[in-house]
Amino acid sequence: DAKTTQPPSMDCAEGRAANLPCNHSTISGNEYVYWYRQIHSQGPQYIIHGLKNNETNEMASLIITEDRKSSTLILPHATLRDTAVYYCIVSPTDSWGKLQFGAGTQVVVTP
Amino acid sequence: NAGVTQTPKFQVLKTGQSMTLQCAQDMNHEYMSWYRQDPGMGLRLIHYSVGAGITDQGEVPNGYNVSRSTTEDFPLRLLSAAPSQTSVYFCASSLGLAVSYEQYFGPGTRLTVT
Repeated sequence: DAKTTQPPSMDCAEGRAANLPCNHSTISGNEYVYWYRQIHSQGPQYIIHGLKNNETNEMASLIITEDRKSSTLILPHATLRDTAVYYCIVSPTDSWGKLQFGAGTQVVVTP
Repeated sequence: NAGVTQTPKFQVLKTGQSMTLQCAQDMNHEYMSWYRQDPGMGLRLIHYSVGAGITDQGEVPNGYNVSRSTTEDFPLRLLSAAPSQTSVYFCASSLGLAVSYEQYFGPGTRLTVT
């Protein structure tokens, strides 16, 4: 039973912002929202995580709705190197770091 | 820091053979884990360890054994390889036991069982 729902694929123009949606309507109060990405044939790479508040780091911004049932990962200026599969994961604080990956969203950044 | 390293990068086994996939990290991370990724799918947790001498099963543990004698190393053993174990295997580590610590993944081992 998937905890998150993501579109299977999306395209983005180089230099534009990429907005990746994620639905997690059954999220519990003690669950974080995590985003990882996996560039072809490489290990996943952590992007960002959040609990309730919006978060920003050097890679991306995470916007979580007030009811926490959905979130959006924003890549502010997509580059060709951002082409990857992006995984949205919800995980409880007492899960000992066990991440449950879904199928993710294949993002293709085009010139 | 080398981060998380995995050896070998590629391996071909015959059904019934055994082997050990190696994973090491030099970041003094307490938490380490093994995932497998089948074609077109997300990663699934095999086993994890919250510190030296402590291991536990993940989502798909059958056919795999692990042990953690040191903080740095977390090998994954296949006792009798089966074609269903053909996959890409990733090792990961994180600093602490709280889920809010990001996990660092190795480059993967691509295993084919014929």
